[in-house]
Amino acid sequence: GESVGLHLPTLSVQEGDNSIINCAYSNSASDYFIWYKQESGKGPQFIIDIRSNMDKRQGQRVTVLLNKTVKHLSLQIAATQPGDSAVYFCAENSHSGAGSYQLTFGKGTKLSVIP
Amino acid sequence: DAGVTQSPTHLIKTRGQQVTLRCSPKSGHDTVSWYQQALGQGPQFIFQYYEEEERQRGNFPDRFSGHQFPNYSSELNVNALLLGDSALYLCASRLGANTGELFFGEGSRLTVL
Repeated sequence: GESVGLHLPTLSVQEGDNSIINCAYSNSASDYFIWYKQESGKGPQFIIDIRSNMDKRQGQRVTVLLNKTVKHLSLQIAATQPGDSAVYFCAENSHSGAGSYQLTFGKGTKLSVIP
Repeated sequence: DAGVTQSPTHLIKTRGQQVTLRCSPKSGHDTVSWYQQALGQGPQFIFQYYEEEERQRGNFPDRFSGHQFPNYSSELNVNALLLGDSALYLCASRLGANTGELFFGEGSRLTVL
């Protein structure tokens, strides 16, 4: 079946370093990808998105890279801060017909920032 | 501007019971989706409601049903609860069925004993 998965389930980084969280997807029909951050006891929070006609998009301290050739997505966080500690999910949208919009989430990567 | 609100935040049920979870979308949003998130897993799509109709459904049995009201709020109903239904149930809303950022609520934590 088609799925979204992550290479690393946990990631520990030193405060101030850059973090890179990776994600592999298998559905070549996916046209929209989103990164979410989920803190303990809270719902997922939108971080950044990218459409399949782009290969890079930057936000505030975050950058998403999309490599359609190898079906790989990454989230880069610059100057990681303790407040960045959370579980990060990538999600893909695959259109399966008119009016469809269904997100498929990966299992998540837990990012721990060491002060 | 209120975001997505869900109730109750926590609840405990026993096997075989029925549960109703409620969601109010973010102001201005007309589309509501429901997701189930088991412990340590990513959210799984249950279904999406737009214009008071179920528009899309994930791989969940008929025990899971929903409703959307004219004010865009929504309910998720689960009948004949199983232990495996224990999870965080997330509601998400957006403007329009096909586009736009998806905003999530804080979820309803259901425990089935």
